[in-house]
This record gives sequence, C-alpha cells and structure tokens, in this order.
Amino acid sequence: NAGVTQTPKFQVLKTGQSMTLQCAQDMNHEYMSWYRQDPGMGLRLIHYSVGAGITDQGEVPNGYNVSRSTTEDFPLRLLSAAPSQTSVYFCASSYSSNWEGKNTEAFFGQGTRLTVV
Amino acid sequence: AQSVTQLGSHVSVSEGALVLLRCNYSSSVPPYLFWYVQYPNQGLQLLLKYTTGATLVKGINGFEAEFKKSETSFHLTKPSAHMSDAAEYFCAVRRAGNNDMRFGAGTRLTVKP
Repeated sequence: NAGVTQTPKFQVLKTGQSMTLQCAQDMNHEYMSWYRQDPGMGLRLIHYSVGAGITDQGEVPNGYNVSRSTTEDFPLRLLSAAPSQTSVYFCASSYSSNWEGKNTEAFFGQGTRLTVV
Repeated sequence: AQSVTQLGSHVSVSEGALVLLRCNYSSSVPPYLFWYVQYPNQGLQLLLKYTTGATLVKGINGFEAEFKKSETSFHLTKPSAHMSDAAEYFCAVRRAGNNDMRFGAGTRLTVKP
C-alpha cells in the first residue's frame, strides 16, 4: 500500500515556466487536497476535491489550477511560475466527511520542494 | 470557520524532560483535532487525533493530548523527551461534516542532550 505519492520531489523553475505536480493515492479516498508549506505559516490549503470531476478553491488558490478526472489522481498546475510560489507542496487525501466514523485524518505525501528563480 | 493557534514557534527541552506543545483552536461546532509530526524533508505523519469520546488520547511514540472544551485547547505532552523527538509539530482542526482541515503555524521542538 503506497499511500499518497507525489512527484517530483524537487524542482527548479524559471519565472514564467509552467509545470504540473503529480499526486496519486491508492486508498480510494474521495477527498484530496493540495497545501503549501512556508516557514512560520504552517500549511495553507490551495485547492481541494471531494470526488472525481469536483474541485474547489482553498485559502490561497491564485496561480494554481487543478483537475480531478479519476479518484486516484489530483495534479496541481502552475501556469506561469512566480518566485512567490517557491515553497514545499503537499498533497493529502482522506475519506469524505460523508463517511464520518471512518478514519477522519488526512494522509500526506512526501512533498515537492519547488524553487522558482 | 475554524482556526488553530500554536503558542511558541520554537520549544527547546533537555533529553528526559517533559515536552509540552500548546494548541488552541476555534470552531463553531464540535471539532476533530489532530497532531502531526514532520521530520526533516519528510511529509506529515499522524501522531494522534481526537474525534469523540475520551478526551485524553494517546498516540504514537509516547505522546498524548487532552481535549479541553472549556479552554478550547488540545495540548500535546510527552513525559520524557528523547533525541528522536526533535521535529516540527503541527496541530490541526477539522469540523465534523466538513473535509476542510486547518493547520497551525507549527512548533519546532529541539531536544538537547
């Protein structure tokens, strides 16, 4: 059971470049989310999805796009990278709140460390 | 809306001393509360969680936390620190019936020999 898998682990981009951070989970979780982690700010929610075909914005969505074509995959796209997007990105998955009584915690990937120069 | 405040961005203890990491939350409805640990260059790992029932919850590696509704707190403790406990710790809150999980800013724990 691999859990939540993120690729790549490290990436350096030039300002204006685009890229996609990949996230896949094999736990059949309905809910998936992307966070960014910055020093002193904890984890902030970028986008989330409650199931295939359904996505919504979190606290800090600007500059990022997501899609959810399958239950397993939830890629995060940076269309035009900016230095302010230098951060560590985490993907997480969990059971939907519609299934309270099951495990309520989120499972995290190992993170992608992104630097935009 | 819910939010989390972790008091103290850095905590330093001696090996064998008590560890106390503070977390206060705000939530309009009964919350689910979590503590996660992050070791350097790793993802977040669940230490323990409170959902319903017993307010004192025990987690992995000897950690425990107590949910105190009257104080809106969920402080993390460990009686005796070990060098391997050095890491960053995050408190998080989620409302029942809502998937949105909000995190505190984190507390970095240093353990001195």
